[in-house]
Amino acid sequence: QLQLQESGPGLVKPSETLSLTCVVSGGSMSTSSYYWAWIRQPPGKGLEWLGNIYYSGTTYYNPSLKSRLTISVDTSRNQFSLKLNSVTAADTAVYYCARLVRAARGHTQDFDYWGQGTLVIVSS
Amino acid sequence: SYGLTQPPSVSVSPGQTARITCSGDALPNQYSYWYQQKPGQAPILVIYKDTERPSRIPERFSGSSARTTVTLTISEVQAEDEADYYCQSADSSGTSVVFGGGTKLTVL
Repeated sequence: QLQLQESGPGLVKPSETLSLTCVVSGGSMSTSSYYWAWIRQPPGKGLEWLGNIYYSGTTYYNPSLKSRLTISVDTSRNQFSLKLNSVTAADTAVYYCARLVRAARGHTQDFDYWGQGTLVIVSS
Repeated sequence: SYGLTQPPSVSVSPGQTARITCSGDALPNQYSYWYQQKPGQAPILVIYKDTERPSRIPERFSGSSARTTVTLTISEVQAEDEADYYCQSADSSGTSVVFGGGTKLTVL
């Protein structure tokens, strides 16, 4: 059974960089059938796709965050990471990592496995 | 930027049918997916590729598609179905993910 687990600081100061890692267990990340994604959810609000990465390192970002966001992958450790710089209070959210099904021509489909989520608060 | 539109809330009595819509210009050319999210939990997939249901999801959950609108239908609603529901799809390129704003289903 595939499992994803987010980890990282729960508190980040404004203007600093938010860094999270997602460790994947129960399966290899090096497969052509999936992307590996980050989604967030501010308290009391909806889901927002942040971006995803292919095992080769190809990335796709939400245009609204592209200038501040970097997603990377380490297939040797079966994990991928997120860095969001210049954070503000608006970046306070539960951050989820998830597996995103990849269809033909690289099109995205559904998120079939999710981590439990980790709350990150941006505050001084 | 491209977005999907859902009603903020839907209310039904137990045993009735709930219908939650999701509208977007690219939906005729991109599959839609529906997730159920209960407080403090990660979302779970209830409908994929517009109309398909994962085996673990009760048969009372169904999906349909008509032009730029997709619909999640929950028949014979039960108290345990009270949750937030999100539609998800892709933009016209097929590579950028988009979520609807979410619909809170209240079982009266």
